[in-house]
Amino acid sequence: GENVEQHPSTLSVQEGDSAVIKCTYSDSASNYFPWYKQELGKGPQLIIDIRSNVGEKKDQRIAVTLNKTAKHFSLHITETQPEDSAVYFCAATLSGAAGNKLTFGGGTRVLVKP
Amino acid sequence: EPEVTQTPSHQVTQMGQEVILRCVPISNHLYFYWYRQILGQKVEFLVSFYNNEISEKSEIFDDQFSVERPDGSNFTLKIRSTKLEDSAMYFCASSERAWDTGELFFGEGSRLTVL
Repeated sequence: GENVEQHPSTLSVQEGDSAVIKCTYSDSASNYFPWYKQELGKGPQLIIDIRSNVGEKKDQRIAVTLNKTAKHFSLHITETQPEDSAVYFCAATLSGAAGNKLTFGGGTRVLVKP
Repeated sequence: EPEVTQTPSHQVTQMGQEVILRCVPISNHLYFYWYRQILGQKVEFLVSFYNNEISEKSEIFDDQFSVERPDGSNFTLKIRSTKLEDSAMYFCASSERAWDTGELFFGEGSRLTVL
């Protein structure tokens, strides 16, 4: 089955700096890669996703890149703000397969220092 | 904004007891899921449910687990005889569609502590 590895496990950045989180996946058939943000006491919330027919996607201060050949994808947060402090999870799945089963990475705890 | 709601937020139970975790998915969603997260570990898929039957389940989802949609709004996860290793945060999620990988909306979770 699919296996997703995520690095780093913790990331501390100064407000205004960029943060980068990297994930690798094992199943070359996976074609959908969402990123979730989890704030304390809340469930994961989708912040951006990318499909395998696209190499990069951007939404304001957040961008995701995908390298299918190397089987890795990354989340980039620019101009970080204190409210970006949270745990971020990457995930992978084969879209179209019954069940929409996401395989998650281990999470990255991001701390933005003011 | 519509959201997935879960009850209870925290349940403490004795080993061997039955537990039912409840979820109310977003009303127009058709696909329902349970995931769990043991403290310090990855979020893991348990089961997906569509059209009143299980679509897929993981190896974690053994005979001790069952899911049900008893009425038009609730989606429940039952653990028949809890074990210490069932202690985890259980997340319910729903999506509008699956074949095009619609966004999964997660609830805030139910923390289960088995003593």
